[in-house]
Amino acid sequence: QKEVEQDPGPLSVPEGAIVSLNCTYSNSAFQYFMWYRQYSRKGPELLMYTYSSGNKEDGRFTAQVDKSSKYISLFIRDSQPSDSATYLCAPQSGGGATNKLIFGTGTLLAVQP
Amino acid sequence: GAGVSQSPSNKVTEKGKDVELRCDPISGHTALYWYRQSLGQGLEFLIYFQGNSAPDKSGLPSDRFSAERTGGSVSTLTIQRTQQEDSAVYLCASSLLEGAQRAQHFGDGTRLSIL
Repeated sequence: QKEVEQDPGPLSVPEGAIVSLNCTYSNSAFQYFMWYRQYSRKGPELLMYTYSSGNKEDGRFTAQVDKSSKYISLFIRDSQPSDSATYLCAPQSGGGATNKLIFGTGTLLAVQP
Repeated sequence: GAGVSQSPSNKVTEKGKDVELRCDPISGHTALYWYRQSLGQGLEFLIYFQGNSAPDKSGLPSDRFSAERTGGSVSTLTIQRTQQEDSAVYLCASSLLEGAQRAQHFGDGTRLSIL
């Protein structure tokens, strides 16, 4: 079993739809949870950063973490064609000698105009 | 710009040759990471540098891979005797380590193709 599981998609939605992207993880040591957006032939771009359980909102984006069920979500409201990209969840352990990110495989999202 | 800079952006080389990939982190970032992104494998951790501490090399796939970070800034990832399975995008990231600033910021990577 991989440490982080993410549906690879592709996910196709019409412009204006609400998008829900999800990951599950197995390591209870994860305390920091990040979402990255990656456009084709570009590096991952940090979208959201969350510590521990709870919700965090930034404009059209909301990140949710439920540590009890080891489930993390990213919601995109009023989706736009420019949101078409691969979305990667990346949890991280707290403290310790390394701060490496463990990435999901990414979900490819296409927002149709 | 103030982002992570990687060079070259593309590298094509023959099997068996050595390659060097360079990363210039964000100024002031103490932590530097290398990841590899290949089709079907996603993003995988290779190596991590933090200040003067010994690097975490636990993700390096073989002893053909090595990396160094000079003066706490620029880093070079070296792959010796390249193999076709080394073809991938090599990504560098940097960060601070406190609170929200521990989030890692990535460069656009070096796309490596081994013929």
